[in-house]
Amino acid sequence: QQQVKQSPQSLIVQKGGISIINCAYENTAFDYFPWYQQFPGKGPALLIAIRPDVSEKKEGRFTISFNKSAKQFSLHIMDSQPGDSATYFCAARGLGRQLTFGSGTQLTVLP
Amino acid sequence: EPEVTQTPSHQVTQMGQEVILRCVPISNHLYFYWYRQILGQKVEFLVSFYNNEISEKSEIFDDQFSVERPDGSNFTLKIRSTKLEDSAMYFCASSDIGSGKNIQYFGAGTRLSVL
Repeated sequence: QQQVKQSPQSLIVQKGGISIINCAYENTAFDYFPWYQQFPGKGPALLIAIRPDVSEKKEGRFTISFNKSAKQFSLHIMDSQPGDSATYFCAARGLGRQLTFGSGTQLTVLP
Repeated sequence: EPEVTQTPSHQVTQMGQEVILRCVPISNHLYFYWYRQILGQKVEFLVSFYNNEISEKSEIFDDQFSVERPDGSNFTLKIRSTKLEDSAMYFCASSDIGSGKNIQYFGAGTRLSVL
């Protein structure tokens, strides 16, 4: 019930391509869905987030698509750059404010 | 930009020893959290803390763990008797109470190695 399932585990994209990472959840009590970016040796940093009453949110090259009925959400990175190479985690916030993280996607953008 | 500060960056300890991991949350934040990340795995919630008490804890946060806000700036995680499986990266996070966004800002983490 508390799990957030994330795929793929790893992703390799050419520079300029689109990176797509998918997440699915079961707990309908989740009320906030952030994506975090993590570079080696660093803590997760908030990238973009969405509430379940919105179907899409775009910030620069990053877009979240949210499908409430399917309980799925995804991160799209347009015009992917080598500097985007990092591990990306989706997460969902429960009633107690704690975040439940997905298993992470290691993105590599080739120059 | 304000940030969450964690010390030490790396802690090596012997199994059975007590460790204290320290965090300085962002100054106007009121919610504090500890998460851990075992190498190569996902980030897992341990505990949240608000108004000087634990508000939520996971099943990982057993009697070996405790948290404290000993003064107005520090937030600590104590592991009473470390086990090999406690080896992980421990992240502190904080968030404010306003704006409704509850953005959790994470520190750079403390790598705990239990030998």
